[in-house]
Amino acid sequence: DAGITQSPRHKVTETGTPVTLRCHQTENHRYMYWYRQDPGHGLRLIHYSYGVKDTDKGEVSDGYSVSRSKTEDFLLTLESATSSQTSVYFCAISEPSGGARQYNEQFFGPGTRLTVL
Amino acid sequence: RKEVEQDPGPFNVPEGATVAFNCTYSNSASQSFFWYRQDCRKEPKLLMSVYSSGNEDGRFTAQLNRASQYISLLIRDSKLSDSATYLCLSSNTGKLIFGQGTTLQVKP
Repeated sequence: DAGITQSPRHKVTETGTPVTLRCHQTENHRYMYWYRQDPGHGLRLIHYSYGVKDTDKGEVSDGYSVSRSKTEDFLLTLESATSSQTSVYFCAISEPSGGARQYNEQFFGPGTRLTVL
Repeated sequence: RKEVEQDPGPFNVPEGATVAFNCTYSNSASQSFFWYRQDCRKEPKLLMSVYSSGNEDGRFTAQLNRASQYISLLIRDSKLSDSATYLCLSSNTGKLIFGQGTTLQVKP
């Protein structure tokens, strides 16, 4: 299995509080991603990073920010958590090989279950 | 209309059956496609990549039809252990879109 860990694995917080989720990889992959998964919506991309300090928005980026100060860590921050951000959050990594397979297979972390009350 | 669509199912099939799922995509510029498997409350895991020429891995066959803009996954001789949710992924230079997944239940 790819070396990806997420912390915390479970978190319960209150509306309005800041929350930071951490994704850590030991594979030295260039790309890292944050997704949320909700019933009826599948996996939706929040933000992704294509290198240290290089990030871009995904499909559902409002209310989230990210930072990547080193290759192995990708942080997802909810500045002021809302109940609509209750979800399961997955981090993923990949190492593109260029050409038509620029976005290569992704390997996922175990997920963080976040509940915002 | 969602950019990547799957029939959520559930598909209930007996052991030994052959079952096929389709995944349609609306963006003709999509470049790469993948099938992932997700077990309940676990992370998705790559099942196989999908190529225009088709891709077979044991009991699993994936196909891409660019003209009709869909990908398919065929599972032969279904096993109880194949019960899971199958997600398709379409990627296009920075844009990664998953389908909502198709649930398969294989019954004894």
